[in-house]
Amino acid sequence: DIVLTQSPVLAVSLGQRATISCRASQSVSISSINLMHWYQQKPGQQPKLLIYRASNLASGIPARFSGSGSGTDFTLTIDPVQADDIAAYYCQQSRESPHTFGAGTKLELK
Amino acid sequence: EVQLVESGGGLVQPGRSLKLSCAASGFTFSNYYMAWVRQAPKKGLEWVATISTSGSRTYYPDSVKGRFTISRDNAKSSLYLQMNSLKSEDTATYYCARHADAGDWFAYWGQGTLVTVSS
Repeated sequence: DIVLTQSPVLAVSLGQRATISCRASQSVSISSINLMHWYQQKPGQQPKLLIYRASNLASGIPARFSGSGSGTDFTLTIDPVQADDIAAYYCQQSRESPHTFGAGTKLELK
Repeated sequence: EVQLVESGGGLVQPGRSLKLSCAASGFTFSNYYMAWVRQAPKKGLEWVATISTSGSRTYYPDSVKGRFTISRDNAKSSLYLQMNSLKSEDTATYYCARHADAGDWFAYWGQGTLVTVSS
């Protein structure tokens, strides 16, 4: 199985940039298609799709969210961070089955 | 508006069975692959099962293969998960999710239903 590694916690100040990383145990890219996706989950709520195929913003997601990366290293950036962005963020790969998730990064306020 | 509403969760003893349901609305259900994803308490997300549009193809990780069965009724816009031989490690909130149009990521999620496996 492809293992996705995320840092457990990231502390950030409001108005600053947050950079959340996800590293895969093997490449999740096929040619130029990067099969990494990002979700946001607030406490007590279901996950919400933010970014698909590494860099495409899902419908209704604010432009302060962006994604980048290829191969094994991917990044979700939130700039600037707002109070409403305090949540857990999960990466997920669809390069091969089983479709695994990272353990999540909890975004906290400094 | 896409809506996915799960039901059927509850407390069940180890070794017993439980069937979850998901009622879908706001989109043409029969056009989309559907999935179940679970989340153990205070833990991360784990994909559990996926079913094709017609129901002819199903996919599972090894952790539930042979114990869980995903199915669908397109006439009723409903998704199901039959869980047999339940173990304590199956305790989780189970989310119904709609696959994206173009790939194996999860575009929409229900609010989840909690399954607790305990004696």
